[in-house]
Amino acid sequence: AQSVTQLDSQVPVFEEAPVELRCNYSSSVSVYLFWYVQYPNQGLQLLLKYLSGSTLVKGINGFEAEFNKSQTSFHLRKPSVHISDTAEYFCAVSDLGDQGGKLIFGQGTELSVKP
Amino acid sequence: KAGVTQTPRYLIKTRGQQVTLSCSPISGHRSVSWYQQTPGQGLQFLFEYFSETQRNKGNFPGRFSGRQFSNSRSEMNVSTLELGDSALYLCASSDHRGPGTGELFFGEGSRLTVL
Repeated sequence: AQSVTQLDSQVPVFEEAPVELRCNYSSSVSVYLFWYVQYPNQGLQLLLKYLSGSTLVKGINGFEAEFNKSQTSFHLRKPSVHISDTAEYFCAVSDLGDQGGKLIFGQGTELSVKP
Repeated sequence: KAGVTQTPRYLIKTRGQQVTLSCSPISGHRSVSWYQQTPGQGLQFLFEYFSETQRNKGNFPGRFSGRQFSNSRSEMNVSTLELGDSALYLCASSDHRGPGTGELFFGEGSRLTVL
């Protein structure tokens, strides 16, 4: 069975500082990997995804993530955060063999950007 | 393009009642997935429909059911409501047909409170 662990439930950071949100996954099969963001009282929005190819993936709003197969990790990074990045971030995996629509999510990391 | 629309946005029910939630996917999207989001359990996959057929199902009791219509709109139903069913129910649509390579587009959710 697949599982996703987000290693930090809350990450406070000052504006313009770099940030890394950590994600590890467990799976016996090949997977696709995703990062989603959820702003208060809203649904989830895709930040970026890794399907294949280059292990460094760039997404929206200046975020990027690196897939590390040996460490089964997919950490999300941003070199300089803004107040508007305050939100909850979810790492997710899907099974390559799945029929679609089914994502396994981590518990989420609450990013709080302070002025 | 209009996004994923979920109705109602908020509702309050009492234990033992049933509830029906509606989801209109993005035009042209034929896959609709449903997720339950709670503070304790996080985001959990309920089921996914594609072309009116349930392709995938999560580990929820039979009180949770869904269906999809020929226009791709979907409904989910929860019967005999329990206090633990209080949650944000998120619908997501996608245009993919096969394994989870596609991006999921989420609605803003229906927040159900069971008293």
